[in-house]
Amino acid sequence: KNQVEQSPQSLIILEGKNCTLQCNYTVSPFSNLRWYKQDTGRGPVSLTIMTFSENTKSNGRYTATLDADTKQSSLHITASQLSDSASYICVVRGGGGADGLTFGKGTHLIIQP
Amino acid sequence: GAVVSQHPSWVICKSGTSVKIECRSLDFQATTMFWYRQFPKQSLMLMATSNEGSKATYEQGVEKDKFLINHASLTLSTLTVTSAHPEDSSFYICSARGLGNTEAFFGQGTRLTVV
Repeated sequence: KNQVEQSPQSLIILEGKNCTLQCNYTVSPFSNLRWYKQDTGRGPVSLTIMTFSENTKSNGRYTATLDADTKQSSLHITASQLSDSASYICVVRGGGGADGLTFGKGTHLIIQP
Repeated sequence: GAVVSQHPSWVICKSGTSVKIECRSLDFQATTMFWYRQFPKQSLMLMATSNEGSKATYEQGVEKDKFLINHASLTLSTLTVTSAHPEDSSFYICSARGLGNTEAFFGQGTRLTVV
């Protein structure tokens, strides 16, 4: 069964600190993996996209990693800001389905001043 | 990236009434649009897929007579929640994909509250 598991479910950190969010998947075949940021009451916005051959990709303070062998990905946020408070969703493309996507439940991140 | 606009951003309606949500692709032609529902702290759940000019394909367990989807043009798809009930209260998100494009772009979502 195609699944995307994210951890932790929620996380609270102080402004300025770093954090790492995890994503494990069992989707097959694998096409790509995206990390999205979803602000409360808004649609998901893509942060990074990684294909099978990519290990690391950065977008500003966001750095995603992918280990296709262990089927794990992480999203590292550096020097967190209050505006980083949001849900971060890991989405894997592949494995069929009408939209070809398998969504994780997301990690709810709260940045405290 | 491509822009997908959803309207309204939020809506409150009375139980038994119908509500229409619009999804527009602003800078590309969307041959396929997807409609999702998201409950608090849950994944996006695909409800249906609409292709321009043809009937929508609904996921298992989604009532097609309750969630009417129309994709009459290459830039607009609508989702109408008919005879809404409080349990239909949720966050509805669309995404749009152009011809030959594997990636879809999300709208900003619509918060529906049925009272």
